[in-house]
Order: sequence, then structure tokens, then C-alpha cells
Amino acid sequence: TQLLEQSPQFLSIQEGENLTVYCNSSSVFSSLQWYRQEPGEGPVLLVTVVTGGEVKKLKRLTFQFGDARKDSSLHITAAQPGDTGLYLCAGAAGKLIFGQGTTLQVKP
Amino acid sequence: NAGVTQTPKFRILKIGQSMTLQCTQDMNHNYMYWYRQDPGMGLKLIYYSVGAGITDKGEVPNGYNVSRSTTEDFPLRLELAAPSQTSVYFCASSIFGGGSVGSGANVLTFGAGSRLTVL
Repeated sequence: TQLLEQSPQFLSIQEGENLTVYCNSSSVFSSLQWYRQEPGEGPVLLVTVVTGGEVKKLKRLTFQFGDARKDSSLHITAAQPGDTGLYLCAGAAGKLIFGQGTTLQVKP
Repeated sequence: NAGVTQTPKFRILKIGQSMTLQCTQDMNHNYMYWYRQDPGMGLKLIYYSVGAGITDKGEVPNGYNVSRSTTEDFPLRLELAAPSQTSVYFCASSIFGGGSVGSGANVLTFGAGSRLTVL
């Protein structure tokens, strides 16, 4: 069974702090996606990374795909209360495998 | 465009009752999916469909059934509801398969979810 482990599962920080969320697996994925989900809504895609070592930036969010395409990270710089939500990584290997999610709370 | 529309948004069932969660998409996507989301467990795939008339089991299909008579609609039926089926259910669709390679090609568009409680 392919698994994606996300860490931490819960993160509560103050506005302006930096944070990193990790998504790890022993399996190789052809691509990896990060989604953000707000309460009462479905997940919305933030980014897809395809190439090992790839780095993508989305404003204050930086996404990296591991060289071996087994892991990924999401770094948020100067977090804002609007970043609060559930962050999910999903690896593509025949079908999408989702991690268990990281709940981020950014306090003003 | 409405995207992916799920109904109902909330439902309470008694043990043993049956119900159907409706899902429709207006993006002409071939692929459709049903996931369930439990706290701390991420999203688990229940069933998926690669096109009208074709469905297949995901990771957790027991207790559920699906049909895909049209490209737009992908209802999920719960027979003999059990407390273990208390969850939030998400329908999603994509142009290509969710496991396809390609930057952005396999984007899943999700509905807003249906919260089901079985008592």
C-alpha cells in the first residue's frame, strides 16, 4: 500500500512566522500536488510539481519536489491569517494518493 | 460554470437506512471520483469512473455503490447505512485520470462536500 505521510498534522502559529509542511513516502510518484481546503469546502489545487528537484513559488508559498520524487515540502513565509486551512498533498501513481493533511492555524 | 455540485450538503440517517448522494459536473470531464474524508485520515477513494458506463472500486468501496449513466452525473448510493459511514463525502472530477503525469493536466475539481451522520 502506498502511503503519504504528512507532518506535522497540526500547526498553530502567530502571524508573520514561517513554517514548513512535509509530505514523505517510500514510493516514487510521477507528480505531486498540494491542495488547500477551507472549512465547509472541497480542496482546491495550489500547485503540481512534476520534475525531481522542482521548486515552484506561489506568492509566499514555496513548493519543492524531492530529487527522488518521493517527498515534497511546502514552505510559507510570513504566514497570514488567510493561510489558515487544511493542506493536503497528493501523489500520482496510477491514481492520486492523499496524505492525511496538515491543519494550519495562523493567529493574528 | 457551476463546476462540481453535490447534494445534499447535510444529512442524518438512521442505521439501516439507504440514501443517494448526488454529484453533477458541467465541465465535460470524463473522470469522476467519490472520496470520504475522516478527521486526521485525509481523503480515501471510494469509487471512480473513467467515463459514462464505466466504474471501478477505490480503496474503501464496501457499503457503497455507484453508477455513471451520463458524463455529467455520478451518484453514490449507501445501502444499509452504518455508523462507520459517518463522514464527509466529496465528489470530484478531472479531465484526465487522477494519476496521470502532467503539470496541471490531472487537476481534480472538488464539490463542496456532503456531511453524513449515521445514528
